[in-house]
Amino acid sequence: AQTVTQSQPEMSVQEAETVTLSCTYDTSESDYYLFWYKQPPSRQMILVIRQEAYKQQNATENRFSVNFQKAAKSFSLKISDSQLGDAAMYFCAYRSALGKIIFGKGTRLHILP
Amino acid sequence: EAGVVQSPRYKIIEKKQPVAFWCNPISGHNTLYWYLQNLGQGPELLIRYENEEAVDDSQLPKDRFSAERLKGVDSTLKIQPAELGDSAVYLCASSFGFQETQYFGPGTRLLVL
Repeated sequence: AQTVTQSQPEMSVQEAETVTLSCTYDTSESDYYLFWYKQPPSRQMILVIRQEAYKQQNATENRFSVNFQKAAKSFSLKISDSQLGDAAMYFCAYRSALGKIIFGKGTRLHILP
Repeated sequence: EAGVVQSPRYKIIEKKQPVAFWCNPISGHNTLYWYLQNLGQGPELLIRYENEEAVDDSQLPKDRFSAERLKGVDSTLKIQPAELGDSAVYLCASSFGFQETQYFGPGTRLLVL
């Protein structure tokens, strides 16, 4: 069975600094998708970034980028130039080719002014 | 464009009572998801619909939970009877297909007393 592990329950970063959130997963499948979702205190979850497993190039969305290490089954999220609005719960998620989706337990990110 | 709509936003009931949650997905989205999110945890998929067909309900506790998506548009999730352990946030999400980006609703926070 697939699993998703986020080993950092909470993290803090100074405003304008860079922070990296860790995620590891376990699967025997070769075709899958990985995601980072953000859930602010208002609780509406939004997609931050996605990565297709068959793509070697790391996905980037403005200040957000991932470090996808397929062999190591690692999928970390880097947030550059952290802003106060980045404070939220961040969830790493795995989705199989057939649509089965599993979320990690989340990392709460605090931004220090 | 309107997002995923869920109602009610909050619900307080006594144990053993029935409760129902409603979700209206984004127009045109044929895939609909119901998730359970316990406090401090990531969402757990309860059921996924492709149009009106439930294609993944393996995590739905069928002894007390039921769901329907008549006409393949809006959906209702029901719990009968509710137990104390059902207190959680119930999230609905939708997408154009299971391979496409999910958009989440604000959730329904259930408290069972």
